[in-house]
Amino acid sequence: DAGVIQSPRHEVTEMGQEVTLRCKPISGHDYLFWYRQTMMRGLELLIYFNNNVPIDDSGMPEDRFSAKMPNASFSTLKIQPSEPRDSAVYFCASSLRGMMQPQHFGDGTRLSIL
Amino acid sequence: SQQGEEDPQALSIQEGENATMNCSYKTSINNLQWYRQNSGRGLVHLILIRSNEREKHSGRLRVTLDTSKKSSSLLITASRAADTASYFCATVLGYKLSFGAGTTVTVRA
Repeated sequence: DAGVIQSPRHEVTEMGQEVTLRCKPISGHDYLFWYRQTMMRGLELLIYFNNNVPIDDSGMPEDRFSAKMPNASFSTLKIQPSEPRDSAVYFCASSLRGMMQPQHFGDGTRLSIL
Repeated sequence: SQQGEEDPQALSIQEGENATMNCSYKTSINNLQWYRQNSGRGLVHLILIRSNEREKHSGRLRVTLDTSKKSSSLLITASRAADTASYFCATVLGYKLSFGAGTTVTVRA
């Protein structure tokens, strides 16, 4: 049974460039979450979807960040334009029936903005 | 924002010993979850305890919850080198899930 799949695993790019992170949730899961992890701020919830619909994006730091879920098996998190302070590990997670159930995490994308 | 705060921040123990870490939180919760994160990997769910439960076991893991003190503890018994990881508590209230800063556990062979 495949887990949550994220790509790429590592991304290094220059400031100002557009960055797109991708996530494939576990089949059948109806919730998808995007997190950011840094040493300074720990693990932060950015946005989550239920049945492909964004429910709470209050954690998205700025308008430079956007997320989409065009179908049940794919989501993207985009940063445009990217800045050095966006450097972090970005995780995608999915679950069945939301916050009351365990979340299954991907192995993350380590993003470095130079 | 982080609601849960783990204590200690770091823990180093000998293989075979028990490891205990604590999580304190500020508001009411629906449930509390513990996760493990190995270096360079995503978080792995360990155990979930509901607000009306006081203790839960899973293999070598024991979790307690004291809602009157707004605290939880995770005990790992008979630790192994493979238990070396960071451990996070996550509190759930409604549709909000908040992770603590984590406890880094090192198990020495």
